[in-house]
Amino acid sequence: EGQLLESGGGLVQPGGSLRLSCAASGLTLSNSDMSWVRQAPGKGLQWVSASGIGGGTTYADSVKGRFTISRDKSQNTLYLQMNSLRADDTAIYFCAARMATSPWAFDIWGQGTMVTVSS
Amino acid sequence: EIVLTQSPATLSLSPGERATLSCRASQTISNYLAWYQQKLGQAPRLLIYDASNRATGIPARFSGSGSGTDFTLTISSLEPEDFAVYFCQHRSNWPLTFGGGTKVESK
Repeated sequence: EGQLLESGGGLVQPGGSLRLSCAASGLTLSNSDMSWVRQAPGKGLQWVSASGIGGGTTYADSVKGRFTISRDKSQNTLYLQMNSLRADDTAIYFCAARMATSPWAFDIWGQGTMVTVSS
Repeated sequence: EIVLTQSPATLSLSPGERATLSCRASQTISNYLAWYQQKLGQAPRLLIYDASNRATGIPARFSGSGSGTDFTLTISSLEPEDFAVYFCQHRSNWPLTFGGGTKVESK
């Protein structure tokens, strides 16, 4: 059974940077559509970014130009580089993968990592 | 951007009762809709994909239906562990979006 484990969250000042990692076990990321999804405290789910099997990437308008999604196949890890962070980026960040469903429906989720942007 | 509107916002029911949750899309999305369950402090869990396919390990009391713009998640007989928040998500085009959620609470 596939598992995902996020890390890299923390407290950062506005304008700062963080890099989130999502390490996979029991599944090969190069064979899976992957996304980052975030959830602000007490709020709903918001899709952030996606990395497809073919290598394509896409972003929500709210993070375009500031966030970069990437994969390291040798480490079986997904990353999210977050620059120019703002207070409204404060959220739990989940990575999600498709293992046994249709494209972009996510049956594997990590436990999430908290990002707090505050001075 | 496709907007998904879930209703009701809160559903107050007792164990054993039937729950019917709605998700309406702002434009047609064929059957490209998934449903997730989220409990407090946990990650979302996929229940249904492509409107009506149960994900691996999901009990048969969960069923999904609909196509186009109107979708329904039905829990035939609520178990104590089913009280949670439920989200729908489309995969019709970019950006992927989620509905605002329906909280199923114990009456």
